[in-house]
Amino acid sequence: DGGITQSPKYLFRKEGQNVTLSCEQNLNHDAMYWYRQDPGQGLRLIYYSQIVNDFQKGDIAEGYSVSREKKESFPLTVTSAQKNPTAFYLCASTLSGRGRWDTQYFGPGTRLTVL
Amino acid sequence: QQQVKQSPQSLIVQKGGISIINCAYENTAFDYFPWYQQFPGKGPALLIAIRPDVSEKKEGRFTISFNKSAKQFSLHIMDSQPGDSATYFCAASMNYGQNFVFGPGTRLSVLP
Repeated sequence: DGGITQSPKYLFRKEGQNVTLSCEQNLNHDAMYWYRQDPGQGLRLIYYSQIVNDFQKGDIAEGYSVSREKKESFPLTVTSAQKNPTAFYLCASTLSGRGRWDTQYFGPGTRLTVL
Repeated sequence: QQQVKQSPQSLIVQKGGISIINCAYENTAFDYFPWYQQFPGKGPALLIAIRPDVSEKKEGRFTISFNKSAKQFSLHIMDSQPGDSATYFCAASMNYGQNFVFGPGTRLSVLP
């Protein structure tokens, strides 16, 4: 089955720790995205990547970092600089970052909680 | 101009009723308008989408109405069912689809 997988489903972080959230897709999509969702709120874009080894900051990139070494993978690191990281993190992908009618497909999400 | 406004924030409908969620945008460069459905603890899933060259698109019980001149679009759920209870997000994207803009979401509750 093609799709987007995110792991882990739940993640707990202590203050001052960096943690990395995994996102893998086997849809052969070019573009990948990371969003943050807070309770009762919409989606806010953290980072996106249209091609391997290239990525751009979204609206709330501070305290986060990403890499795109492989087309299938787009891991997100939540650093200790992110002061309020408790949230639901969603990874998404589209067939081509340059297509006019591209639909974003979402993974199941990772819920990060700071202890 | 990058915002998409969505209303209402929450909606309660009786089983069998019609659910209507409205969205509005400012940037006329947007050219793709999808709706997503999200159940608690899950990622959003594409429900239905429309392009600005048509005024309406229907898929089963779900219909998008699009008013290009008013820069508004809406989702209608006919014969609403308890299983439709979820959060619905409208979205818009423009050239290259590299940056979707999402509305804040509407929490729909369909009472049995």
